[in-house]
Amino acid sequence: NAGVTQTPKFQVLKTGQSMTLQCAQDMNHEYMSWYRQDPGMGLRLIHYSVGAGITDQGEVPNGYNVSRSTTEDFPLRLLSAAPSQTSVYFCASSSGPAGETQYFGPGTRLLVL
Amino acid sequence: GDSVTQMEGPVTLSEEAFLTINCTYTATGYPSLFWYVQYPGEGLQLLLKATKADDKGSNKGFEATYRKETTSFHLEKGSVQVSDSAVYFCALSVVGGSNYKLTFGKGTLLTVNP
Repeated sequence: NAGVTQTPKFQVLKTGQSMTLQCAQDMNHEYMSWYRQDPGMGLRLIHYSVGAGITDQGEVPNGYNVSRSTTEDFPLRLLSAAPSQTSVYFCASSSGPAGETQYFGPGTRLLVL
Repeated sequence: GDSVTQMEGPVTLSEEAFLTINCTYTATGYPSLFWYVQYPGEGLQLLLKATKADDKGSNKGFEATYRKETTSFHLEKGSVQVSDSAVYFCALSVVGGSNYKLTFGKGTLLTVNP
């Protein structure tokens, strides 16, 4: 049982490049989320999904795209990277909404030059 | 909107000292409250949680009590260890809210010296 896995661990991009951050979970969780962590800001929700085929925006969705074709996978796409997207990105999953424990992946550190 | 305010860090303690990290919240509905811990280089993991008023969450010697009257969920530990050095996040999630999300505080860095 690997839990929540994320790839890559670290990535450097140039402004304007695109990339996909991968997230997978093997706990059969319906709920998955993407957060970004910035110094002094805590974690902020980017996008979330309550099941395959269902996604919605969080508090900071601009510049990011998601899809959920399977229960296991929830990739995050940066369409045209900007320096403001330099951050640490965490994927999380849970078996339910409010009140349920969220399980976090190890994170992807992204640097946009 | 929902918000969490937690004690600014960093906090530096000697081993076996008493720890308190304050956390207060504002919520539009009836929240569940959490403490998550992030060890260096790792993702967040749940430390403890409480889902209704007066509940006490506890784990690994840490405790926090859900106080509705003071809208607080302060984290305490009687005797910290070097291995407790980490960033601690207070968070809330509103049951029945229109948005599904955890609202996090900004985090408190704890360093425990031998």
